[in-house]
Amino acid sequence: DIQMTQSPSSLSASVGDRVTITCRASQSITSYLNWYQQKPGKAPKLLIYAASTLQSGVPSRFSGSGSGTDFTLTISSLQPEDFATYYCQQSYSTPRTFGQGTKLEIK
Amino acid sequence: EVQLVESGGGLVQPGGSLRLSCAASGFTFSTYWMHWVRQAPGKGLVWVSRISSDGGSTNSADSVKGRFTISRDNAENTLYLQMNSLRAEDTAVYYCAREAPNPRYFDLWGRGSLVTVSS
Repeated sequence: DIQMTQSPSSLSASVGDRVTITCRASQSITSYLNWYQQKPGKAPKLLIYAASTLQSGVPSRFSGSGSGTDFTLTISSLQPEDFATYYCQQSYSTPRTFGQGTKLEIK
Repeated sequence: EVQLVESGGGLVQPGGSLRLSCAASGFTFSTYWMHWVRQAPGKGLVWVSRISSDGGSTNSADSVKGRFTISRDNAENTLYLQMNSLRAEDTAVYYCAREAPNPRYFDLWGRGSLVTVSS
């Protein structure tokens, strides 16, 4: 199975900050990397797929990059509604493993 | 409206069984691979099982293999998860998710169904 490791596990930031979350795969997954946002009590929401493609309706302050084993999710200017938990997921192979999550909290 | 709606969760004793359903609407259900993902209280997302669009191919996580069975009824637009020999560690919110084809991503999720395994 492919292991996905996110860092950091938690992050405190302020509105307007630029934040970056990283995700590392235990082997190459080319660009089969997706990012999800989850708010308490809600289902996950797709933000970015194929490492860098923004899902329709997602604000352009979200961006993704990377290929192979190393990936990043960047939020260019944090908004109040962005405080949530973020998960990466590989879709290169089955099982479709997720990272452990990064909880983004208000400083 | 394009949506997935889970049902069938609840409280069950260890060793018991439960069947979750996921009703799909607003899209051509029979053309999509479908998945179950679970989330234990306060924990992260864990993939559970998947089924091909025609139901002919399935895979499950090692932690549920031999106990859980994924299936679907394309005529009824419904996905199922039969859960047997339930354990306390199976306590979680169970989400069904639609997987878009290549490059493969979960673009539609249900709201989830809570399964609690406790005596």
